[in-house]
Amino acid sequence: EVRLVESGGGLVQPGGSLRLSCAASGFTFSREWMSWVRQAPGRGLEWVATIKPDGNDKFYVDSVRGRFTISRDNAKNSLYLQMNSLRAEDTALYYCTSGLLDYWGQGTLVTVSS
Amino acid sequence: QAGLTQPPSVSKDLSQTATLTCTGDSNNVAYQGAGWLQHRRGHPPKLVAYRDGNRPSGISERFSASRSGNTASLTITGLQPEDEADYYCSAWDRILTAWVFGGGTELTVL
Repeated sequence: EVRLVESGGGLVQPGGSLRLSCAASGFTFSREWMSWVRQAPGRGLEWVATIKPDGNDKFYVDSVRGRFTISRDNAKNSLYLQMNSLRAEDTALYYCTSGLLDYWGQGTLVTVSS
Repeated sequence: QAGLTQPPSVSKDLSQTATLTCTGDSNNVAYQGAGWLQHRRGHPPKLVAYRDGNRPSGISERFSASRSGNTASLTITGLQPEDEADYYCSAWDRILTAWVFGGGTELTVL
């Protein structure tokens, strides 16, 4: 059974940092593209970042480029999202998703507020 | 980054057929095809179709997808109460090197 379990969300002040993690199991993690997708309150799904299987190529939505960093550890079957210089508009439920967006975790909530 | 275009809402009666549409361009929907995500309140999104007409294992045959040019469609037959959800189309954009989503269609089953 495929499982994706996110963690690391929480309440942070504007300008602060958080590191999200996603633990994957049930599939060959090292072969899959992996992505982070978020949903702000009352809004639709928004793609955030994607990383290729070997970790050498990374892609970001314009609004987070330079502030967020996606990474992975294939030995630990884990995906990460380092989020710096957080803004109120980054408040959202963050999902980890695999491949062609075929499997999703339950999400971890990030709230940026003073 | 530009997104895909979906109607905001569709309402159909129980047991009827709903067809949801999604319009993109040659760099996304018409490139590698569109995927469709069902997002029920309080649950994570679930992929119900990918690369136009493929259905993941475990997804009901009542869900079928297709594409004509830059427009993808998801057809749901024999509508059930549990089909009520937001449906998002998605596609990889080869120029933007990004996943692009539609704004979502809220499907109401009357």
